[in-house]
Amino acid sequence: DAGVIQSPRHEVTEMGQEVTLRCKPISGHNSLFWYRQTMMRGLELLIYFNNNVPIDDSGMPEDRFSAKMPNASFSTLKIQPSEPRDSAVYFCASSLGGRASNQPQHFGDGTRLSIL
Amino acid sequence: AQTVTQSQPEMSVQEAETVTLSCTYDTSESDYYLFWYKQPPSRQMILVIRQEAYKQQNATENRFSVNFQKAAKSFSLKISDSQLGDAAMYFCAYRSAGYGGSQGNLIFGKGTKLSVKP
Repeated sequence: DAGVIQSPRHEVTEMGQEVTLRCKPISGHNSLFWYRQTMMRGLELLIYFNNNVPIDDSGMPEDRFSAKMPNASFSTLKIQPSEPRDSAVYFCASSLGGRASNQPQHFGDGTRLSIL
Repeated sequence: AQTVTQSQPEMSVQEAETVTLSCTYDTSESDYYLFWYKQPPSRQMILVIRQEAYKQQNATENRFSVNFQKAAKSFSLKISDSQLGDAAMYFCAYRSAGYGGSQGNLIFGKGTKLSVKP
């Protein structure tokens, strides 16, 4: 079975540009998570969707960040405008059941984002 | 709020030997889950092992096992017969089994970088 698929794997862009990260969760999984990983802060949850509905976006750093899940097989994380401090690895993860279920989260390979 | 602490930023082990990675956590909850994830240089986050807090028996997955001490809030990972492919960052993670608010979010430690010497 295919795992969580993220694209692009690497993204390099200039400050001020719009960045869109994409995620395809594992088929049948109804929970989707976006995380950000930096050296300073480690892994942080940005937003959590359940059945395509955003449930908890308290980790979204500011209004420049937005996430959507138009259907069960696709989600996007958008940064507009991007800033150098947004440089990080962004992970998408999916799981069965709600986030408090005993099912583990399965992670994609991540997108390494560099804002110049 | 729950916290996860990995006190060993780096560890090293000789190939075929055994190594133990430490993890402690702080919580006032009684029902939760604990996980170890592996992140090799390829960057992928790979689930290694998980433990339900209500289970007294320590989880085991092939060469990987945990020592779960609920009273001490300790969750260490033991890797037996270490292999070169085990070299990676290892993250300990906690997740509440409750509902509402931010409960249920995965809370990660800062990670331990494991090197395996041939």
